[in-house]
Amino acid sequence: LAKTTQPISMDSYEGQEVNITCSHNNIATNDYITWYQQFPSQGPRFIIQGYKTKVTNEVASLFIPADRKSSTLSLPRVSLSDTAVYYCLVSLTGTASKLTFGTGTRLQVTL
Amino acid sequence: AAGVIQSPRHLIKEKRETATLKCYPIPRHDTVYWYQQGPGQDPQFLISFYEKMQSDKGSIPDRFSAQQFSDYHSELNMSSLELGDSALYFCASATAQGRGEKLFFGSGTQLSVL
Repeated sequence: LAKTTQPISMDSYEGQEVNITCSHNNIATNDYITWYQQFPSQGPRFIIQGYKTKVTNEVASLFIPADRKSSTLSLPRVSLSDTAVYYCLVSLTGTASKLTFGTGTRLQVTL
Repeated sequence: AAGVIQSPRHLIKEKRETATLKCYPIPRHDTVYWYQQGPGQDPQFLISFYEKMQSDKGSIPDRFSAQQFSDYHSELNMSSLELGDSALYFCASATAQGRGEKLFFGSGTQLSVL
């Protein structure tokens, strides 16, 4: 299983773009990269998922370089409500395998 | 849209007692995961099920057991509870769609062992 490494914490001001990078050096060919957001005392919430290149949805973008050994979650114009812990997971499709959360990135957004 | 339902929302038990946590996945989801999250910690994978069969095990104590029933709901049974079992327990469901697993989490069960 691919191990992931992220920065422990990040700080940002409201309105700025935030980029959180996750390293997954031993990602396998069939692995997908998924990012989750978690608020205190709540279950993690799916943000975005990708396999390669760039994926964008209404809340974030995910950039994956050609070697797929890292990925970057980009949050445009963050607000105070984006203060949360962000996790990247690497998962093999359809295996119900051990999906392990690494140490997430605690993002603090201030005015 | 239907979400993952966990019950109870809160549970208080004494040491050495037993507890049963229930999880009702999103309809047509065939996979269930259980996670334990202590205060200020990251979620720890306990166990997963696919099509009612155990798929993988993580750091689940021998005192804990789980199963997925014919209606796909799952139960986590915890015996001989210890103070260290106090945590937030999340259940997540997913369905394989030829892509990476996309987990949908319930609101969790807050277990307090006194």
